[in-house]
Amino acid sequence: SQQGEEDPQALSIQEGENATMNCSYKTSINNLQWYRQNSGRGLVHLILIRSNEREKHSGRLRVTLDTSKKSSSLLITASRAADTASYFCATDRGAQKLVFGQGTRLTINP
Amino acid sequence: DTGVSQDPRHKITKRGQNVTFRCDPISEHNRLYWYRQTLGQGPEFLTYFQNEAQLEKSRLLSDRFSAERPKGSFSTLEIQRTEQGDSAMYLCASSSYREEHYGYTFGSGTRLTVV
Repeated sequence: SQQGEEDPQALSIQEGENATMNCSYKTSINNLQWYRQNSGRGLVHLILIRSNEREKHSGRLRVTLDTSKKSSSLLITASRAADTASYFCATDRGAQKLVFGQGTRLTINP
Repeated sequence: DTGVSQDPRHKITKRGQNVTFRCDPISEHNRLYWYRQTLGQGPEFLTYFQNEAQLEKSRLLSDRFSAERPKGSFSTLEIQRTEQGDSAMYLCASSSYREEHYGYTFGSGTRLTVV
């Protein structure tokens, strides 16, 4: 079963705009991770935020975590065509496995 | 070490045949995971190894599925008597206890098509 739910399921924006994706989950977690997947490829780890953190930055990525609402958001600033991919949130409950959401399909239009 | 390697990249098989996939994790990583991903969905957990011990198996892993990790190095995932419903991308990932805050490293996957 999948714990996380991403919103929106699909997002299409113009190059240079910011993209925001949201993730909700159901149970308590140790950390939450975001991954990117290009079509037909494996997943690439983007960023990990621990349950005691509220915000984290990495380059053009900004992740927030609200454990009271069991939700997280991923912001990609100044989007580029190469950011076109599916983005997944995954929760780690310390059970030695990640539980993934269904993903947000992001399209950056030139 | 260039990352997690999976072989083959693609496999087309007839229903009822057996298939075996291989995963070579990052050599320093003691944890290895198998996931399955169908079109438009997120990856679903199948099984997890710490060194050579298989510590958890999902209910998705029917008795037709078996995974091994001899000597705690590479792993194999075998599917016996394949069914059309087994068609999916099979992803392998590895991680290290010491680097648990750096996420998993995934391979490029093996895409299985059962015809």
